[in-house]
Amino acid sequence: DTGVSQNPRHKITKRGQNVTFRCDPISEHNRLYWYRQTLGQGPEFLTYFQNEAQLEKSRLLSDRFSAERPKGSFSTLEIQRTEQGDSAMYLCASSFGSRVHEQYFGPGTRLTVT
Amino acid sequence: AQKITQTQPGMFVQEKEAVTLDCTYDTSDQSYGLFWYKQPSSGEMIFLIYQGSYDEQNATEGRYSLNFQKARKSANLVISASQLGDSAMYFCAMREEDSNYQLIWGAGTKLIIKP
Repeated sequence: DTGVSQNPRHKITKRGQNVTFRCDPISEHNRLYWYRQTLGQGPEFLTYFQNEAQLEKSRLLSDRFSAERPKGSFSTLEIQRTEQGDSAMYLCASSFGSRVHEQYFGPGTRLTVT
Repeated sequence: AQKITQTQPGMFVQEKEAVTLDCTYDTSDQSYGLFWYKQPSSGEMIFLIYQGSYDEQNATEGRYSLNFQKARKSANLVISASQLGDSAMYFCAMREEDSNYQLIWGAGTKLIIKP
C-alpha cells in the first residue's frame, strides 16, 4: 500500500497526558499537512510542511501542539497536557509538486480524551 | 463570514438519479482552487475533483462534474447515475492564492442513496 498512513488509528487518553501521532506520506510527496476534524464538521487546517520546513501554523495550534518533520519524510504531531476539547479526528495529507491541488489523505487518528 | 458554505446538511436520493450538491464560496483573491472530497463512514478523505479559478471549462472526472459559476461564486458538484456506494459525507473546499496550499472546508453534506 503506497498511500498515506497514520498511526495509531485510535487513541484514548486521560486528560493531562501527552500523545503523539505519526504520519507517513506518499514517498515522493514533498508537502505534508495536518488537519483536525470534529464530529459533524469539515476539517480545520493545523499546519503545513514543505520538505522538513514548517511553513505555516494555524492559530488553532496552541503552544500545547507541536509538529515536526525532521527528515522531510514522516511527520509527528504531539499534543501536551491533553484537554477534552482536543478530542477529534486528526488527519494528515500529502501532495507533490505540480499536482499540489491533489491532497491525498490518510485514514486519520481518532483521539478521545477522557 | 463563512468562506465555504454548504447549505444542505443532508440529502436522500434514489439510486441511479443524478444529484447536485451545493457549494458557495467567498474570496477576494483572483486565483483560487475549488475541491470536492468524499468521506465515507470509514473516515478517509477521498479527492474527487478540482476546479481552478482560471479554468474556462467545468471540470469533469467520470461521473463527477463541477458546475462552476464564477460570478455567482458557486461550485456545485454533480454526480450522475448515483450508486449505493456514493453514500457518504461530501465536502467542498477552497485554496486561496498564497495560502501555502492549505484548504478551507465547508461543513459538508451527508448524501444517502436509497435503493
